[in-house]
Amino acid sequence: DSGVTQTPKHLITATGQRVTLRCSPRSGDLSVYWYQQSLDQGLQFLIQYYNGEERAKGNILERFSAQQFPDLHSELNLSSLELGDSALYFCASSRVSDRVYGYTFGSGTRLTVV
Amino acid sequence: GDSVTQMEGPVTLSEEAFLTINCTYTATGYPSLFWYVQYPGEGLQLLLKATKADDKGSNKGFEATYRKETTSFHLEKGSVQVSDSAVYFCALSSPSQGNLIFGKGTKLSVKP
Repeated sequence: DSGVTQTPKHLITATGQRVTLRCSPRSGDLSVYWYQQSLDQGLQFLIQYYNGEERAKGNILERFSAQQFPDLHSELNLSSLELGDSALYFCASSRVSDRVYGYTFGSGTRLTVV
Repeated sequence: GDSVTQMEGPVTLSEEAFLTINCTYTATGYPSLFWYVQYPGEGLQLLLKATKADDKGSNKGFEATYRKETTSFHLEKGSVQVSDSAVYFCALSSPSQGNLIFGKGTKLSVKP
């Protein structure tokens, strides 16, 4: 157990629907990162939050949004889902300086859009 | 922008063979470098890291040396085991960007 908890583990939904993925960071970690892993695109950085504030944005679609709550858990919202959104979504967390410690990853949420 | 390039897989080796997975990077400033491993059905786990030039990261028999002159961070292990079968990702943390940048991953299969 890495200490980063992601729920649900699996999600199957239809095109056009909206889903919410949840992440609880490791105790003491203030930063949360979301990544999308697909076969053809590899690991793509979506967005980072630090202590409730958006810190960095990557290749995140406008249909996707995220937030980090006061208790530091984070949610990634995916709307108007398309078949191409099927992927593994990882959450990671880190202490203040990820340059030294790197990230701790959760086990991911596998999203299948049908 | 910053980027990581690692060798294409899959790599198939026999048990006790020597492993090298090449990784090169492009970055401004002085990045930290990481190797992560992903076992089937799991998330990524930090395998080793190096934060400055000439540093050697090591863990579980794996090693990688931060070579600034060749902008490389190749992963090596002297004798692989079946349990090392996984996907390996090279990554960098750049001072100019607020996130880890990953290579595309290299799948390693070790046969008994």
